[in-house]
Amino acid sequence: DAKTTQPPSMDCAEGRAANLPCNHSTISGNEYVYWYRQIHSQGPQYIIHGLKNNETNEMASLIITEDRKSSTLILPHATLRDTAVYYCIVTSSNDYKLSFGAGTTVTVRA
Amino acid sequence: KAGVTQTPRYLIKTRGQQVTLSCSPISGHRSVSWYQQTPGQGLQFLFEYFSETQRNKGNFPGRFSGRQFSNSRSEMNVSTLELGDSALYLCASSRETSGPQETQYFGPGTRLLVL
Repeated sequence: DAKTTQPPSMDCAEGRAANLPCNHSTISGNEYVYWYRQIHSQGPQYIIHGLKNNETNEMASLIITEDRKSSTLILPHATLRDTAVYYCIVTSSNDYKLSFGAGTTVTVRA
Repeated sequence: KAGVTQTPRYLIKTRGQQVTLSCSPISGHRSVSWYQQTPGQGLQFLFEYFSETQRNKGNFPGRFSGRQFSNSRSEMNVSTLELGDSALYLCASSRETSGPQETQYFGPGTRLLVL
């Protein structure tokens, strides 16, 4: 039972910002929003996570709506190396395992 | 700080054989989780170890087993390999627990092909 909904694919021009949406309308108060990405045949790479405040790190920014029912991952200046499958997941301290959905396949084009 | 390392990276075995995969977590991380990833089933949880004890287990047959050593390094073993065991096996480590406060960091994976 998927807790998140993401578009299956999106394209982005190199150098432009990539905005990846995620719906998590059933998120509960103790659940965090996590983003990972997976470049073909490699292990998933942690990007960022947040509870209710917007977060930023060296890789990306995470914008969470006030009602926490959706969020957006922003890659500020996409490069060709950002081409990957991006997974949005919600998880709490009660979850001992991560569950990835289908994710969004992001293709960055020159 | 070095990331999670897994060895070997690639492995080819035949049906009926057994295989052992190794995972070295990030220094200071005490929890190690193992996942199997296939195109059809996606990411599936195998088991999680903390302080040399298996704390959680997924729905895999007993042919899949693992262990953790005192230095937090972990191994998983698959006996009597089947064609369906062909997959990317991923190891993830976190500092203490598997909760959201303790982010899981994945290794590069071991690609197993069973012929």
